[in-house]
Amino acid sequence: DAKTTQPPSMDCAEGRAANLPCNHSTISGNEYVYWYRQIHSQGPQYIIHGLKNNETNEMASLIITEDRKSSTLILPHATLRDTAVYYCIARLSGGGADGLTFGKGTHLIIQP
Amino acid sequence: KAGVTQTPRYLIKTRGQQVTLSCSPISGHRSVSWYQQTPGQGLQFLFEYFSETQRNKGNFPGRFSGRQFSNSRSEMNVSTLELGDSALYLCASSWGYRATSYEQYFGPGTRLTVT
Repeated sequence: DAKTTQPPSMDCAEGRAANLPCNHSTISGNEYVYWYRQIHSQGPQYIIHGLKNNETNEMASLIITEDRKSSTLILPHATLRDTAVYYCIARLSGGGADGLTFGKGTHLIIQP
Repeated sequence: KAGVTQTPRYLIKTRGQQVTLSCSPISGHRSVSWYQQTPGQGLQFLFEYFSETQRNKGNFPGRFSGRQFSNSRSEMNVSTLELGDSALYLCASSWGYRATSYEQYFGPGTRLTVT
Protein backbone atom coordinates (compact mmCIF):
# COMPACT_ATOMS: atom_id res chain seq x y z
CA ASP A 1 0.00 0.00 0.00
CA ALA A 2 1.19 3.50 -0.76
CA LYS A 3 1.93 5.69 2.25
CA THR A 4 -0.76 8.25 3.06
CA THR A 5 -0.47 11.42 5.12
CA GLN A 6 -3.40 13.09 6.87
CA PRO A 7 -3.64 15.96 9.35
CA PRO A 8 -4.09 14.58 12.87
CA SER A 9 -7.18 16.65 13.65
CA MET A 10 -9.67 19.09 12.15
CA ASP A 11 -12.68 21.04 13.34
CA CYS A 12 -15.77 21.87 11.33
CA ALA A 13 -18.98 23.69 12.20
CA GLU A 14 -22.19 21.72 12.08
CA GLY A 15 -24.02 22.21 8.78
CA ARG A 16 -20.89 23.24 6.91
CA ALA A 17 -18.94 21.11 4.45
CA ALA A 18 -16.07 19.17 5.98
CA ASN A 19 -13.10 18.80 3.64
CA LEU A 20 -10.57 16.17 4.71
CA PRO A 21 -7.28 16.09 2.78
CA CYS A 22 -5.05 13.11 2.16
CA ASN A 23 -1.64 13.04 0.54
CA HIS A 24 -0.57 9.89 -1.33
CA SER A 25 2.28 11.09 -3.51
CA THR A 26 3.73 7.60 -4.10
CA ILE A 27 0.47 6.01 -5.22
CA SER A 28 0.82 3.64 -8.15
CA GLY A 29 -1.40 3.67 -11.21
CA ASN A 30 -3.56 0.76 -10.14
CA GLU A 31 -4.02 1.67 -6.49
CA TYR A 32 -7.38 2.97 -5.40
CA VAL A 33 -8.01 5.56 -2.70
CA TYR A 34 -10.33 4.27 0.01
CA TRP A 35 -11.86 6.18 2.90
CA TYR A 36 -13.15 4.67 6.11
CA ARG A 37 -14.19 6.25 9.36
CA GLN A 38 -14.48 5.00 12.92
CA ILE A 39 -16.81 6.54 15.43
CA HIS A 40 -15.67 6.06 18.99
CA SER A 41 -16.13 2.46 20.23
CA GLN A 42 -17.72 1.32 16.97
CA GLY A 43 -16.41 -0.73 14.06
CA PRO A 44 -14.89 1.11 11.09
CA GLN A 45 -17.33 2.18 8.38
CA TYR A 46 -16.59 2.16 4.66
CA ILE A 47 -17.30 5.54 3.08
CA ILE A 48 -16.16 5.68 -0.53
CA HIS A 49 -13.35 4.77 -2.90
CA GLY A 50 -12.07 5.89 -6.28
CA LEU A 51 -9.29 5.48 -8.82
CA LYS A 52 -9.09 8.57 -11.03
CA ASN A 53 -12.47 10.16 -11.39
CA ASN A 54 -14.32 12.02 -8.70
CA GLU A 55 -16.86 9.87 -6.94
CA THR A 56 -20.03 10.65 -5.01
CA ASN A 57 -22.36 8.52 -2.96
CA GLU A 58 -25.00 9.15 -0.33
CA MET A 59 -22.38 9.71 2.35
CA ALA A 60 -19.66 11.78 0.74
CA SER A 61 -17.77 12.96 -2.31
CA LEU A 62 -14.20 12.05 -3.19
CA ILE A 63 -12.11 14.46 -5.22
CA ILE A 64 -8.84 13.05 -6.60
CA THR A 65 -6.32 15.42 -8.19
CA GLU A 66 -5.38 14.84 -11.81
CA ASP A 67 -1.88 13.65 -10.85
CA ARG A 68 -3.47 11.37 -8.19
CA LYS A 69 -0.98 12.51 -5.57
CA SER A 70 -3.68 13.77 -3.24
CA SER A 71 -7.39 13.59 -2.59
CA THR A 72 -10.10 15.25 -0.53
CA LEU A 73 -13.06 13.65 1.16
CA ILE A 74 -16.02 16.01 1.36
CA LEU A 75 -18.89 15.60 3.80
CA PRO A 76 -21.32 18.16 2.33
CA HIS A 77 -23.38 19.01 5.41
CA ALA A 78 -21.56 17.79 8.50
CA THR A 79 -23.57 16.75 11.54
CA LEU A 80 -22.49 16.01 15.08
CA ARG A 81 -22.70 12.30 14.24
CA ASP A 82 -19.90 12.76 11.70
CA THR A 83 -17.42 13.27 14.57
CA ALA A 84 -15.03 10.36 14.05
CA VAL A 85 -11.52 9.36 13.00
CA TYR A 86 -11.27 9.30 9.20
CA TYR A 87 -8.76 7.01 7.50
CA CYS A 88 -7.44 7.37 3.96
CA ILE A 89 -5.89 4.26 2.39
CA ALA A 90 -4.25 3.73 -0.97
CA ARG A 91 -4.62 0.12 -1.97
CA LEU A 92 -4.94 -2.21 -4.91
CA SER A 93 -8.54 -3.11 -5.61
CA GLY A 94 -9.00 -6.48 -4.05
CA GLY A 95 -6.43 -5.73 -1.45
CA GLY A 96 -3.60 -8.03 -0.66
CA ALA A 97 -2.72 -10.83 1.65
CA ASP A 98 -2.58 -8.74 4.76
CA GLY A 99 -5.97 -7.10 5.13
CA LEU A 100 -6.60 -3.44 5.75
CA THR A 101 -4.13 -1.30 7.64
CA PHE A 102 -5.16 2.05 9.03
CA GLY A 103 -2.72 4.83 9.82
CA LYS A 104 -3.46 7.39 12.52
CA GLY A 105 -6.12 9.14 10.43
CA THR A 106 -7.74 12.53 10.98
CA HIS A 107 -9.85 13.11 14.05
CA LEU A 108 -12.71 15.26 12.75
CA ILE A 109 -14.64 17.13 15.40
CA ILE A 110 -17.94 18.69 14.40
CA GLN A 111 -18.72 21.72 16.53
CA PRO A 112 -22.34 22.66 17.29
CA LYS B 1 -30.23 -5.21 4.50
CA ALA B 2 -28.95 -6.20 7.93
CA GLY B 3 -25.35 -5.32 8.74
CA VAL B 4 -22.57 -7.45 10.13
CA THR B 5 -23.41 -8.80 13.56
CA GLN B 6 -20.98 -9.97 16.19
CA THR B 7 -21.65 -11.80 19.42
CA PRO B 8 -21.05 -11.32 22.21
CA ARG B 9 -20.45 -7.58 22.34
CA TYR B 10 -18.53 -7.69 25.61
CA LEU B 11 -16.61 -10.47 27.28
CA ILE B 12 -14.45 -10.77 30.36
CA LYS B 13 -12.16 -13.78 30.69
CA THR B 14 -9.23 -14.76 32.87
CA ARG B 15 -5.74 -15.69 31.75
CA GLY B 16 -5.43 -19.23 30.48
CA GLN B 17 -9.05 -19.56 29.43
CA GLN B 18 -10.22 -19.81 25.85
CA VAL B 19 -12.86 -17.79 24.03
CA THR B 20 -14.97 -18.11 20.89
CA LEU B 21 -16.32 -15.09 19.07
CA SER B 22 -19.00 -15.22 16.39
CA CYS B 23 -19.63 -13.16 13.27
CA SER B 24 -22.55 -13.17 10.85
CA PRO B 25 -21.73 -11.35 7.59
CA ILE B 26 -24.06 -9.31 5.46
CA SER B 27 -26.36 -11.58 3.47
CA GLY B 28 -24.69 -12.52 0.20
CA HIS B 29 -21.18 -11.69 1.38
CA ARG B 30 -18.83 -14.63 1.17
CA SER B 31 -15.65 -13.20 2.63
CA VAL B 32 -15.11 -12.66 6.34
CA SER B 33 -12.00 -11.06 7.78
CA TRP B 34 -11.05 -10.71 11.42
CA TYR B 35 -9.06 -7.88 12.96
CA GLN B 36 -7.70 -7.03 16.38
CA GLN B 37 -7.71 -3.38 17.39
CA THR B 38 -5.80 -1.96 20.35
CA PRO B 39 -4.83 1.63 21.21
CA GLY B 40 -1.15 0.80 20.95
CA GLN B 41 -1.04 -1.35 17.81
CA GLY B 42 -4.04 0.00 15.94
CA LEU B 43 -5.90 -2.28 13.54
CA GLN B 44 -4.16 -5.60 12.89
CA PHE B 45 -5.29 -8.23 10.42
CA LEU B 46 -5.84 -11.72 11.83
CA PHE B 47 -7.18 -13.82 8.95
CA GLU B 48 -9.61 -13.94 6.06
CA TYR B 49 -12.01 -16.71 5.14
CA PHE B 50 -13.72 -17.23 1.81
CA SER B 51 -15.86 -20.21 0.90
CA GLU B 52 -15.05 -21.94 4.18
CA THR B 53 -11.28 -21.78 3.54
CA GLN B 54 -8.72 -19.59 5.23
CA ARG B 55 -7.19 -17.56 2.41
CA ASN B 56 -4.91 -15.15 4.20
CA LYS B 57 -3.38 -14.96 7.64
CA GLY B 58 -1.76 -12.17 9.58
CA ASN B 59 1.16 -12.39 11.93
CA PHE B 60 -0.50 -13.83 15.02
CA PRO B 61 0.42 -16.94 17.04
CA GLY B 62 -1.33 -20.24 16.54
CA ARG B 63 -3.48 -19.57 19.62
CA PHE B 64 -5.65 -17.53 17.26
CA SER B 65 -7.73 -19.66 14.94
CA GLY B 66 -10.94 -19.42 13.02
CA ARG B 67 -13.36 -21.15 10.76
CA GLN B 68 -16.14 -20.36 8.37
CA PHE B 69 -19.34 -22.30 7.87
CA SER B 70 -21.25 -23.02 4.68
CA ASN B 71 -23.63 -20.11 5.37
CA SER B 72 -20.56 -17.78 5.54
CA ARG B 73 -20.91 -17.26 9.29
CA SER B 74 -17.52 -17.30 10.97
CA GLU B 75 -16.07 -17.94 14.39
CA MET B 76 -12.68 -17.13 15.82
CA ASN B 77 -11.14 -18.83 18.79
CA VAL B 78 -8.37 -17.69 21.09
CA SER B 79 -6.90 -20.33 23.36
CA THR B 80 -4.77 -19.85 26.46
CA LEU B 81 -5.69 -16.21 26.82
CA GLU B 82 -3.02 -13.68 27.78
CA LEU B 83 -3.44 -10.20 29.22
CA GLY B 84 -2.23 -8.76 25.92
CA ASP B 85 -5.17 -10.30 24.11
CA SER B 86 -7.44 -7.66 25.59
CA ALA B 87 -8.72 -5.77 22.56
CA LEU B 88 -11.62 -4.96 20.31
CA TYR B 89 -12.06 -7.84 17.86
CA LEU B 90 -13.66 -6.78 14.62
CA CYS B 91 -15.21 -8.85 11.90
CA ALA B 92 -15.61 -7.47 8.38
CA SER B 93 -17.45 -8.93 5.45
CA SER B 94 -17.17 -8.27 1.75
CA TRP B 95 -18.77 -9.62 -1.36
CA GLY B 96 -15.72 -10.89 -3.12
CA TYR B 97 -12.29 -12.14 -2.40
CA ARG B 98 -9.29 -9.93 -3.10
CA ALA B 99 -9.62 -9.60 -6.87
CA THR B 100 -13.01 -7.99 -6.65
CA SER B 101 -14.18 -4.83 -5.04
CA TYR B 102 -12.72 -4.59 -1.59
CA GLU B 103 -15.03 -2.42 0.43
CA GLN B 104 -15.27 -4.13 3.75
CA TYR B 105 -18.24 -3.74 6.06
CA PHE B 106 -17.38 -4.01 9.71
CA GLY B 107 -19.40 -5.24 12.63
CA PRO B 108 -19.58 -3.41 15.96
CA GLY B 109 -16.86 -5.60 17.44
CA THR B 110 -16.46 -7.74 20.52
CA ARG B 111 -14.68 -6.04 23.41
CA LEU B 112 -12.59 -8.73 25.12
CA THR B 113 -11.03 -8.03 28.50
CA VAL B 114 -8.58 -10.56 29.93
CA THR B 115 -7.89 -10.29 33.66
